[in-house]
Amino acid sequence: GESVGLHLPTLSVQEGDNSIINCAYSNSASDYFIWYKQESGKGPQFIIDIRSNMDKRQGQRVTVLLNKTVKHLSLQIAATQPGDSAVYFCAENILGQNFVFGPGTRLSVLP
Amino acid sequence: GAGVSQTPSNKVTEKGKYVELRCDPISGHTALYWYRQSLGQGPEFLIYFQGTGAADDSGLPNDRFFAVRPEGSVSTLKIQRTERGDSAVYLCASSLLGSGASGELFFGEGSRLTVL
Repeated sequence: GESVGLHLPTLSVQEGDNSIINCAYSNSASDYFIWYKQESGKGPQFIIDIRSNMDKRQGQRVTVLLNKTVKHLSLQIAATQPGDSAVYFCAENILGQNFVFGPGTRLSVLP
Repeated sequence: GAGVSQTPSNKVTEKGKYVELRCDPISGHTALYWYRQSLGQGPEFLIYFQGTGAADDSGLPNDRFFAVRPEGSVSTLKIQRTERGDSAVYLCASSLLGSGASGELFFGEGSRLTVL
């Protein structure tokens, strides 16, 4: 990835291609994970979630993979569309505590 | 409305002033969260309510920040003696059963605070 802060890691993909967005989470005790999509000027929007007793979960055009060994989460978007352009955040949660968000990845879909 | 509502959507204030930001969660949601988001960064946790009580306020940066939820529904985030570094988008989210149960957070559109 690239530097964070004002310069979010950016992934550029061609329309119709598949996208893979990665996230390294921090706490090995985290047992619930969510991917959020955030468009400019809006609040984060839920995409898909996964609990720690699973390693894969599929939704409509999206798949989340969880690798607890290396504390890694990925979001796969099939047949990426222009409307998928946004910033994507992973969030981790430990039962009874708050959600911790990653720094985000900007997805840019090229025509 | 059906979603989380936050007011004001934009607030411009001067350094040293007091501000209040309001969050109206989804009806029936017992858990309410406040996050702060600076430009180009992920949401940063501030405080989490389960019902009327603050279950975790470890994210509040200092004693100038305070939040209440007196009736277990609407919440107000209060910032005293605002500083320029407080400028950010303040996000509120609610959840049906709280962390780890239902889990999913429903976010509002945020309140953008600018301190001049």
